[in-house]
Amino acid sequence: NAGVTQTPKFRVLKTGQSMTLLCAQDMNHEYMYWYRQDPGMGLRLIHYSVGEGTTAKGEVPDGYNVSRLKKQNFLLGLESAAPSQTSVYFCASSYPPAFFGQGTRLTVV
Amino acid sequence: AQSVAQPEDQVNVAEGNPLTVKCTYSVSGNPYLFWYVQYPNRGLQFLLKYITGDNLVKGSYGFEAEFNKSQTSFHLKKPSALVSDSALYFCAVRDRTGGFKTIFGAGTRLFVKA
Repeated sequence: NAGVTQTPKFRVLKTGQSMTLLCAQDMNHEYMYWYRQDPGMGLRLIHYSVGEGTTAKGEVPDGYNVSRLKKQNFLLGLESAAPSQTSVYFCASSYPPAFFGQGTRLTVV
Repeated sequence: AQSVAQPEDQVNVAEGNPLTVKCTYSVSGNPYLFWYVQYPNRGLQFLLKYITGDNLVKGSYGFEAEFNKSQTSFHLKKPSALVSDSALYFCAVRDRTGGFKTIFGAGTRLFVKA
């Protein structure tokens, strides 16, 4: 039972590049979330999903897109990365969010 | 709009002493409240939650939290701190009006000295 798995764990992007972060959970949870963690600001919700095929905006959705084509996967996309998106990204699942991945540390230069 | 405040960036306590990590919240109506812990280079781990009922909630690793509606607080407590409790602690809140957004505080770093 892997729980919540995020890939990749680390990534460095140049400004303007695109990438996709993958979150996979094997617990059959309906709810999945993407958060970013910045020093002194806690976790801020980017987007979330309440089930396969559904997505919704969180607190800080600008510059990000998401898709939930399969129940077990929740993808976070950055179409044109900016330095302000340098952060640690966490995926979570269940309601309320109780299972977190180990994080993806993204640096945009 | 809902919000969470953790007024202390850092809490220092000696091993064996009781610890308290403070949290206050603002929501419309009655809240759902949560505490999480984050160890270095790890994701968050769920500790406990308040949904309804008894104001004193017991959670993992000997932690408990007290819901105080009049003071809009949900402080995390432990009777006897361990060095291994040293970590970053987050309080979170969700309102009951139908939204699914769980809002996190900025976090409080707990240092337990041997």
